[in-house]
This record gives sequence, C-alpha cells and structure tokens, in this order.
Amino acid sequence: GESVGLHLPTLSVQEGDNSIINCAYSNSASDYFIWYKQESGKGPQFIIDIRSNMDKRQGQRVTVLLNKTVKHLSLQIAATQPGDSAVYFCAENNDYKLSFGAGTTVTVRA
Amino acid sequence: ETGVTQTPRHLVMGMTNKKSLKCEQHLGHNAMYWYKQSAKKPLELMFVYSLEERVENNSVPSRFSPECPNSSHLFLHLHTLQPEDSALYLCASSQIPEDEKLFFGSGTQLSVL
Repeated sequence: GESVGLHLPTLSVQEGDNSIINCAYSNSASDYFIWYKQESGKGPQFIIDIRSNMDKRQGQRVTVLLNKTVKHLSLQIAATQPGDSAVYFCAENNDYKLSFGAGTTVTVRA
Repeated sequence: ETGVTQTPRHLVMGMTNKKSLKCEQHLGHNAMYWYKQSAKKPLELMFVYSLEERVENNSVPSRFSPECPNSSHLFLHLHTLQPEDSALYLCASSQIPEDEKLFFGSGTQLSVL
C-alpha cells in the first residue's frame, strides 16, 4: 500500500506569504526523502532532498524539515510567488525505489 | 530541459492499436524508469532498468511491455490497452548508487478510446 501521504490535497496562499506543505510517511526504514514540484504540462522537477541523519536542510527560498519521531516531512516556501503554483510531491526512498505521495496543489493568490 | 526527452507528448489510440512510447536520457545515468501518473493518485512505478537488470511491478498488466536497448534509451510498447490505461506516462533516470533522485521527462499524455 501507499506509504507516503500528504495531509492536504490543496493549499491556497497569498502572494508574499510563506507556504508550508506537509507529508507523512510510514516506513521508518526510509533513509532519504525528496520534494518534487510539477507544473502543468511538465514532469516532476527536483526541489530539495534530505537524508535521515538530518533534521533540516535549506535551499533557495525552500526549507525541508524532517521529524523522524513522528515520521513527518514538511516543505516551507518563503515569500511565495505566482511561479510557485504547482503540485508538490514528497517521496521517500527505500532500497533505491522512490514511493510518492498523491500531491498537494498549491495555488498562489495575487 | 531536464535531460530526459519523451516522445510523443500526446497520444490517442484505440483499444486494438499497437503503439510505443520513447524515452531518451542525455545525463549519462545508469538506471531508467517508467511511471504512470493518474489523476489524484500517487505516481505508480511500472518498470525499472538498472545496471542492465529489469525490475518490474507485478501488478502491471502484460499489455505494457518495456524495452531498454541501452542505458540511454527506454521504450514502452503498448497493445490492446483499456480506457483505464489513459494517464500520463513519465520516464525518469538516475545514477545509482551515487544519487537516488530521479530526473523526469515531461511525459506522454495517453488517451485510450
């Protein structure tokens, strides 16, 4: 069955605000996690990743947080822009196989 | 441009047709994948070719047949499909074991009539 899931299927955010997208996973043996962004008509694009020996990792305007105790992953987007409108997927890796959640659709309001 | 190219971008076929999806990666990776993306469902792994071995999802019907002639090219041969097979088919590549992240193509949007 599905081992990765997102808490909310949709998120509406005001332009300029911060976005938080959540993901729960169930496989405690997973050692690597990735966030992908998928815009309309395109394939998923890598945003940021984190290994299980870390709690936090920062990129450009994005931060991923990993809480292994409750098996929770989140993606924070700072100062959300219209170009951030997309579907966001979390994925967990176990033995070189990625399992994906169903995705959260983020809509940015002007 | 992700370095993974899929053709065609769109395909409409009847249930009795035979067609093939093509994928080419220019990243020098050693593993290639087919995923199926249906509306409001997680990406479903169909097939993996890595280090010249094929790993498949046992739930994939035999009307889908993959072919990987070399590490840069991947095909998905389709025959006698059903309407429920309509979906976005994504190809991806990766370099294992050094890097587990996948690089995806833009997909082929398949409609089965």
